[in-house]
Amino acid sequence: DVKVTQSSRYLVKRTGEKVFLECVQDMDHENMFWYRQDPGLGLRLIYFSYDVKMKEKGDIPEGYSVSREKKERFSLILESASTNQTSMYLCASSSGQQKLFFGSGTQLSVL
Amino acid sequence: ILNVEQSPQSLHVQEGDSTNFTCSFPSSNFYALHWYRWETAKSPEALFVMTLNGDEKKKGRISATLNTKEGYSYLYIKGSQPEDSATYLCAPRLRGNQFYFGTGTSLTVIP
Repeated sequence: DVKVTQSSRYLVKRTGEKVFLECVQDMDHENMFWYRQDPGLGLRLIYFSYDVKMKEKGDIPEGYSVSREKKERFSLILESASTNQTSMYLCASSSGQQKLFFGSGTQLSVL
Repeated sequence: ILNVEQSPQSLHVQEGDSTNFTCSFPSSNFYALHWYRWETAKSPEALFVMTLNGDEKKKGRISATLNTKEGYSYLYIKGSQPEDSATYLCAPRLRGNQFYFGTGTSLTVIP
């Protein structure tokens, strides 16, 4: 079975903490994406990467950074977590123009 | 940011009823349209990837049509079952790697 694995299902952090969300895929996909899901707003793209060490901003990159040092791993970093970053974070990967495969999501609460 | 509209926002139907939802998107620079089903506590899963104007796809009781010239797609579910209860997301893809997700249609099938 193909897999996109996110490191944590639930995470609780304090305001100002540095937060790392990890995503690993085992399908040798070149494209990887980070989305956040908020009620009434749909999935919004934070960052995506189409190759190792390459990254592009999505629609809402402010307050986030990413790292892609290896093809299978795409990390989302919250440099200084804030309460408005409380959300469900979804990682996805794809090959070429094909469909997205999603991880199971990380529900992050920033207190 | 691309404006993708899905309607209705939510829907309750009786088991056995047939139903349909709409996804509207700007038609310029169109490349593909994806439909995903997102069940509670699971990851979104791809239903269809559609690229050509007039495309029709079918998977069991679920089918979809695409009109790229006017910028819309319909998803149909025939004889709804409780296991069809989920949020259905459409995601147009323009030239490039970026998907734009609608806010989804939440379907509840009442036994």
